[in-house]
Amino acid sequence: DTGVSQDPRHKITKRGQNVTFRCDPISEHNRLYWYRQTLGQGPEFLTYFQNEAQLEKSRLLSDRFSAERPKGSFSTLEIQRTEQGDSAMYLCASSLDGGYNEQFFGPGTRLTVL
Amino acid sequence: GQQVMQIPQYQHVQEGEDFTTYCNSSTTLSNIQWYKQRPGGHPVFLIQLVKSGEVKKQKRLTFQFGEAKKNSSLHITATQTTDVGTYFCAGPEYGNKLVFGAGTILRVKS
Repeated sequence: DTGVSQDPRHKITKRGQNVTFRCDPISEHNRLYWYRQTLGQGPEFLTYFQNEAQLEKSRLLSDRFSAERPKGSFSTLEIQRTEQGDSAMYLCASSLDGGYNEQFFGPGTRLTVL
Repeated sequence: GQQVMQIPQYQHVQEGEDFTTYCNSSTTLSNIQWYKQRPGGHPVFLIQLVKSGEVKKQKRLTFQFGEAKKNSSLHITATQTTDVGTYFCAGPEYGNKLVFGAGTILRVKS
C-alpha cells in the first residue's frame, strides 16, 4: 500500500495524559499536513511541513500541540496534557511540491479524551 | 481569515434525482478543490478548478468555478447510492494551507 498511513487508528486516553500520533506520507511527497476534524465539520488546518521544515502553524493551535518531521519523511503530532476538547479525528495529508497540488489524506487517528 | 461556506448542510435525495452543492468564499481564490468523504472514511480528492468560469466534468459530476473566483458548485446528475458521502470544497488561504467548508452531506434513498 503506497498511500498515507497513520498510527494508531484509535486512541482513548484520560484527561491530562500526553499522546503522540504518527503519519507516514506517500514517499515522494515533500509536503505534509496535519488537520483536525470534528463531527459535522470540514478538516481544520493545524500545521504544514515542507520536507523537515515546519513552515506554518495555525494561530488557533494551543502550545500543548507540537509536531515534528525530523528527517523529512514521517511526522509525529504530540498533544500534551490532553483535554476533552481535543477529542477529534486527526488527519494527515501529503502532497507533491510546487504549486497547489491535491492532498492525499490518511485514514486518520480518532482521539477520545475521557 | 478566509472563510468558506457551503450550502446546503444536508440533502436527502431519491436515487436518480439530481444533487447540487454550493460553495462560497469570503475572498477571491487562486483555485478551488473538491473532496469527497465517505461515511467512516477520509477525504478523497475529486478535482481542482483554476480558471475563472471553468467547468469540468467527471462522468455524472459537473464542477463549476465562478467568474469572480469566489464561488463554486458541484452538480451530480442522476444520483446513485455510491454517491453517498460528504462533499467538501476547499480553497488555499496562503501557501498551501487549505481552508475547508463544513461540507454537504448527501444521502441517497434507493
